[in-house]
Amino acid sequence: DAKTTQPPSMDCAEGRAANLPCNHSTISGNEYVYWYRQIHSQGPQYIIHGLKNNETNEMASLIITEDRKSSTLILPHATLRDTAVYYCIVSTHSGYALNFGKGTSLLVTP
Amino acid sequence: GAVVSQHPSWVICKSGTSVKIECRSLDFQATTMFWYRQFPKQSLMLMATSNEGSKATYEQGVEKDKFLINHASLTLSTLTVTSAHPEDSSFYICSALAGGGGEETQYFGPGTRLLVL
Repeated sequence: DAKTTQPPSMDCAEGRAANLPCNHSTISGNEYVYWYRQIHSQGPQYIIHGLKNNETNEMASLIITEDRKSSTLILPHATLRDTAVYYCIVSTHSGYALNFGKGTSLLVTP
Repeated sequence: GAVVSQHPSWVICKSGTSVKIECRSLDFQATTMFWYRQFPKQSLMLMATSNEGSKATYEQGVEKDKFLINHASLTLSTLTVTSAHPEDSSFYICSALAGGGGEETQYFGPGTRLLVL
């Protein structure tokens, strides 16, 4: 699976949009981009995934660049409960075990 | 969304005893489940892949005789830590695979925190 690069930490003010970037320059054509988050002392929570089109669900939006070498997870109105470590994972499909890497620690402040 | 549960949520045991952790998919059937382990301030590391009705596949460095996995039904996988030692203290997390058609999604349980004294 392709490696991903994420900033180790980010801050965001409550109510503002949180934009979390991810680089995956070696992604191949059949690999999806998955996003999970882990709130302290809990299991990871699935957020969203995409192949090449932008995706949106009730939690977030996923913007994938046209060349698919990077993506951005957008939490439109961050709340304190969104404070967590966010993992960007590239995989042929989620049927394989996921390589979590170090993720981005997002701190949402009042 | 798909819900995965784990039981117990936390356990304290004496060194040398065995501990069983259950992972259940509550509203879907899962042919494949995964077991991960997470030490403090580290990321999740895969221990093994569990397939219903067959033997689990263990990652390199994970002792299959120490971490027994049984996936006897489409909604239940169990991990037994045998003869637990303090270095086995960790956060154990399972996931179950939902969906199909090449676009499956892994859903994770809440984790089980094990402390071996």
